[in-house]
Amino acid sequence: RKEVEQDPGPFNVPEGATVAFNCTYSNSASQSFFWYRQDCRKEPKLLMSVYSSGNEDGRFTAQLNRASQYISLLIRDSKLSDSATYLCVVNMASGTYKYIFGTGTRLKVLA
Amino acid sequence: ETGVTQTPRHLVMGMTNKKSLKCEQHLGHNAMYWYKQSAKKPLELMFVYSLEERVENNSVPSRFSPECPNSSHLFLHLHTLQPEDSALYLCASSQEGGGVGPSSYNEQFFGPGTRLTVL
Repeated sequence: RKEVEQDPGPFNVPEGATVAFNCTYSNSASQSFFWYRQDCRKEPKLLMSVYSSGNEDGRFTAQLNRASQYISLLIRDSKLSDSATYLCVVNMASGTYKYIFGTGTRLKVLA
Repeated sequence: ETGVTQTPRHLVMGMTNKKSLKCEQHLGHNAMYWYKQSAKKPLELMFVYSLEERVENNSVPSRFSPECPNSSHLFLHLHTLQPEDSALYLCASSQEGGGVGPSSYNEQFFGPGTRLTVL
């Protein structure tokens, strides 16, 4: 089983749609969780950290489910500019600098 | 602007060349990272430096040699590379708390990357 697993997509959705991605992780001792966004041929940029209680930033909502070992990202009212690859990142264990990246989920928002 | 710069942005080199990639962070962070990103693969962690000491080395071939002269600069020295080493090389930095729990690990900020082609 991969340490961090994501559906590669692509997810093709119309403008205004709501779309959700999940990401599963294998190490139950994982400490920190993040969603990054990566545009084509650009560097990853932090979209949001994922807190235990869940958190929201505008149209984006992140959730953590420790029992089932997954995190989720919900995007409401999708915009064309949301088209990108969304990377799930997990910091595997306390005391290490080991950030594990998923392969990413590609989102295409269509006009 | 992320505060992390990388040079060069593009590099083409032959297998017998020696070149170096440079990364500089202007964020006052205490940890710096080298990642490799190949097509259709997740980012692979290569090296981590914390307070200028190497703390992670993920079984990277010796043809890649990192150097961290101070907390703001990180180099990746390349020699006798192979065509399969062609990839996007990303530098990142973060401020690590060193304690236990989620609040100790902060997000990483990435540079724009060096796109390397080995002929």
